[in-house]
Amino acid sequence: AQRVTQPEKLLSVFKGAPVELKCNYSYSGSPELFWYVQYSRQRLQLLLRHISRESIKGFTADLNKGETSFHLKKPFAQEEDSAMYYCALSGRDSGNTPLVFGKGTRLSVIA
Amino acid sequence: GAGVSQTPSNKVTEKGKYVELRCDPISGHTALYWYRQSLGQGPEFLIYFQGTGAADDSGLPNDRFFAVRPEGSVSTLKIQRTERGDSAVYLCASSSFRGSDEQYFGPGTRLTVT
Repeated sequence: AQRVTQPEKLLSVFKGAPVELKCNYSYSGSPELFWYVQYSRQRLQLLLRHISRESIKGFTADLNKGETSFHLKKPFAQEEDSAMYYCALSGRDSGNTPLVFGKGTRLSVIA
Repeated sequence: GAGVSQTPSNKVTEKGKYVELRCDPISGHTALYWYRQSLGQGPEFLIYFQGTGAADDSGLPNDRFFAVRPEGSVSTLKIQRTERGDSAVYLCASSSFRGSDEQYFGPGTRLTVT
């Protein structure tokens, strides 16, 4: 079964502090991992995906298959990073599959 | 260009009534997904269309839920005999080709069953 776990419901950090949003997954095959973000009063949007290996808005995430993790990191948090963050998984070896989401972590960056 | 749109944005209905929720995907997107998001939860998959056909409806909770996409574009999610537990935000997403391509989400329809 596919499962995504985000252990923190809320994470508060001060502006300029490092941020790490945790995500662990369970999947027997070869997964594709994503981070989606939802800013206040906006729709859910893709932040980054592991296969592109990009840094978006200063955020990075590395897929660790040994630890089955895909933690989201940013060295210096900004106030505009405050949002709801969802980790999601898609089974690459299962053809077209929908996303399985975690419950989300609300990031609050304090000035 | 225009993103995914959903109507209505809010729907309040009485227990036992029938409701229809509409999704307009991005033009040309062949894949369309419906998710349901309850309070404090992440989106949960309901049904996925590739073109006109439902490729995967394993997430539909019971036979009160049904969705169609007759012309391979607009989709309607239909809920019969609504129950209070159906109250949630219903999200629609579309993607261009394969299921693992980026999914673009609509703003959602907030359904409240009283």
